Amino acid sequence: AQSVTQPDIHITVSEGASLELRCNYSYGATPYLFWYVQSPGQGLQLLLKYFSGDTLVQGIKGFEAEFKRSQSSFNLRKPSVHWSDAAEYFCAVRMDSNYQLIWGAGTKLIIKP
Amino acid sequence: EADIYQTPRYLVIGTGKKITLECSQTMGHDKMYWYQQDPGMELHLIHYSYGVNSTEKGDLSSESTVSRIRTEHFPLTLESARPSHTSQYLCASSGTGTGYEQYFGPGTRLTVT
Repeated sequence: AQSVTQPDIHITVSEGASLELRCNYSYGATPYLFWYVQSPGQGLQLLLKYFSGDTLVQGIKGFEAEFKRSQSSFNLRKPSVHWSDAAEYFCAVRMDSNYQLIWGAGTKLIIKP
Repeated sequence: EADIYQTPRYLVIGTGKKITLECSQTMGHDKMYWYQQDPGMELHLIHYSYGVNSTEKGDLSSESTVSRIRTEHFPLTLESARPSHTSQYLCASSGTGTGYEQYFGPGTRLTVT
């Protein structure tokens, strides 16, 4: 069955440090890939998406993600985090067969001052 | 401005009451979704609709029901609320753009006492 894994339940980084959040998926073909961010008590906001083409995609708020087919991964990165980046981050994939998204369990990002 | 609206944002209600959570979108999207999310946890799809008069149950069994009489409106109803229904409910929509990414409302935090 198709699945999405975010191995890190939470990650703590210092303000100004770089960030990488991991996402792995299980699917035979190339899926549609997404990263969302959720601030406490809020809905989800789309950060970026990948369908095809350049495997390094740029998103909002200074985030980028790289699709690696050989590793079935779509990791999210940011070169320098800000305290306002503290939130929950969700990776999601959409298979060709329907419009629904399969969600990872989320990674909570904690920023140390 | 195109957006997704959910009301109420917060609701505290007693056991046995009937409640309706409202979701409307001005995105012009044909597909809409309801998710249930406990704090700090993953999203669970409970209902979805791909168009007017079309509704389906999602992966997570739910005692709620939905209707889709108008394209822009997708309300969720609980006939008799129970403490086990306490959760956050997120509404989302997607259109026919590339990837069919989903856009989310701010959510309704429901507490059943």
